[in-house]
Amino acid sequence: RKEVEQDPGPFNVPEGATVAFNCTYSNSASQSFFWYRQDCRKEPKLLMSVYSSGNEDGRFTAQLNRASQYISLLIRDSKLSDSATYLCVVIKVDGDSSASKIIFGSGTRLSIRP
Amino acid sequence: DTGVSQNPRHKITKRGQNVTFRCDPISEHNRLYWYRQTLGQGPEFLTYFQNEAQLEKSRLLSDRFSAERPKGSFSTLEIQRTEQGDSAMYLCASSLEETWSSYNEQFFGPGTRLTVL
Repeated sequence: RKEVEQDPGPFNVPEGATVAFNCTYSNSASQSFFWYRQDCRKEPKLLMSVYSSGNEDGRFTAQLNRASQYISLLIRDSKLSDSATYLCVVIKVDGDSSASKIIFGSGTRLSIRP
Repeated sequence: DTGVSQNPRHKITKRGQNVTFRCDPISEHNRLYWYRQTLGQGPEFLTYFQNEAQLEKSRLLSDRFSAERPKGSFSTLEIQRTEQGDSAMYLCASSLEETWSSYNEQFFGPGTRLTVL
């Protein structure tokens, strides 16, 4: 089983729709969680951090469920420009060495159609 | 442009040849990471440096792979005796040092696409 798993999609939704992705992780000691966005043939870029209390940035809402070990990303009123691959990232930092274990999910492809 | 830069952007080589890639991080960032990404997968962590010290290496990094960051600024990733399975996008990222309680965003370079024939 992969340490971080995502539904690869593709999700194909009409403009204006609401779409949600989940990402599950297996290491309960994981501490930090993020969503990155990667456009086709481009490098990944940070979309948003995921906080325990949930957080919102415009049309994007991220949630963390530690009990069930998953994070989610909700996109409301989707735009054509939201078409991309969304990567979840899970990080565990060692308290003694400050070494980080950084794991990317394989990504969920989203395609918004007019 | 003050972002992360990588050279070359593309490299085509024959199996068995050695290749070297370069990454120039954002100047004030003391952490530098190397990842490998294949089609349909997320980036896989290879190794990272804090200043010139290589702090962690993934088990994915075989003996044919070596990375250096001699002066704590740019880094090189060398692959010796390349194999077809090495074909991938090699991404470099940099960040400020993380602490126990906070994570600093990693900024990625555009990557070097390696094709091994």
